Amino acid sequence: SYELTQPPSVSVSPGQTARITCSGDALPKQYAYWYQQKPGQAPVLVIYKDSERPSGIPERFSGSSSGTTVTLTISGVQAEDEADYYCQSADSSGTYRGVFGGGTKLTVL
Amino acid sequence: QVQLVQSGAEVKKPGASVKVSCKASGYTFTSYYMHWVRQAPGQGLEWMGIINPSGGSTSYAQKFQGRVTMTRDTSTSTVYMELSSLRSEDTAVYYCARDFVLVAAAGVYYYYGMDVWGQGTTVTVSS
Repeated sequence: SYELTQPPSVSVSPGQTARITCSGDALPKQYAYWYQQKPGQAPVLVIYKDSERPSGIPERFSGSSSGTTVTLTISGVQAEDEADYYCQSADSSGTYRGVFGGGTKLTVL
Repeated sequence: QVQLVQSGAEVKKPGASVKVSCKASGYTFTSYYMHWVRQAPGQGLEWMGIINPSGGSTSYAQKFQGRVTMTRDTSTSTVYMELSSLRSEDTAVYYCARDFVLVAAAGVYYYYGMDVWGQGTTVTVSS
């Protein structure tokens, strides 16, 4: 079955830039989405269609795509950004079948 | 305001079935698809399937094919997810989440992401 691969953890100091990658063979053909999840809460959409930011999401969150890898970038990381981040996409079989990456724990040092 | 309200926690025995509901309000129910996503304790998110509330069409993750059924009731703006033959590994929080899907020319579908989520329903499978 189709898989998306993320690093298990990323650590940065406040004010630095965090980059979280997500790799998958179908990413050149399928959009990626990024979700932030804090403990005990439902996920929140922070990036859609590779690089679009929903209203209400701070400008420090951005997304990019290159080949089979998409990247979530958080510029000027703040303590409140500490959370789990999940990429999500779909396989390229024609019938929509979604998939999530394994998640990345962002730690703000 | 836009919200998805899910049914309450469930405790089931192995082999039983569970049916979780997700009631939408604050928007046009048939204008957004609905995903179901689950999260086992301490684990990541797992996509289960999607339903188009307008026509009722569904697509399920291969892992759940034959065990999951997603339905909708347009009269009450509610979607349902039923999972059968429960086992301990199905213990998880189950979420519904809406997604705006644009069908463009030549049948190309554009998904806009799961922008509103339910509060989650805890399903515990234990003998």
